[in-house]
Amino acid sequence: SQQGEEDPQALSIQEGENATMNCSYKTSINNLQWYRQNSGRGLVHLILIRSNEREKHSGRLRVTLDTSKKSSSLLITASRAADTASYFCATGHTGANSKLTFGKGITLSVRP
Amino acid sequence: EAGVVQSPRYKIIEKKQPVAFWCNPISGHNTLYWYRQNLGQGPELLIRYENEEAVDDSQLPKDRFSAERLKGVDSTLKIQPAELGDSAVYLCASSSRPLAGGPGEQFFGPGTRLTVL
Repeated sequence: SQQGEEDPQALSIQEGENATMNCSYKTSINNLQWYRQNSGRGLVHLILIRSNEREKHSGRLRVTLDTSKKSSSLLITASRAADTASYFCATGHTGANSKLTFGKGITLSVRP
Repeated sequence: EAGVVQSPRYKIIEKKQPVAFWCNPISGHNTLYWYRQNLGQGPELLIRYENEEAVDDSQLPKDRFSAERLKGVDSTLKIQPAELGDSAVYLCASSSRPLAGGPGEQFFGPGTRLTVL
């Protein structure tokens, strides 16, 4: 079963604009991660935010986490055509069930 | 440093035939994962290894799927016999030590796209 649910399912923006993608989840987590997948390729890790963190930055990426609302957002600033890809949030759990559970993904298209 | 290597990249078989996928993780990564990704969906975990031990195979359809990780390095995932519904991309990933009790960053291979006719 897939815990994370991304929103929107698809997003189309102009190059240079910002892209905001949201993820909601259902059960408590240890961390939340975002991955990118280009067409026909494997997933690439973008950023990890721990459950005790609220915001994290990496280059043009900004991730927020609100554990009270069980939600996260990924902001890509000044988007480029090369950012066109599918983006997945994945919730990380602890203990014997230590694994990532991926959402269905968001398809981002950045028009040149 | 080489990434996760998978082979083959593509495989087309007829239903009821067997098929096997191979994965070589990043050197030093103790944890290895096999995922299945259906079209338009996120990856779903099939099995997780810690070294040579399968610690989570709850989502592996054991009637037709099997996996092994000899010597805690390379791994093979097998389907026998394949069914039409097995058409998907099979992804292998590896990671190093868990992060403060939770899963850390995972490194994915390019995947094997399986088509069952």
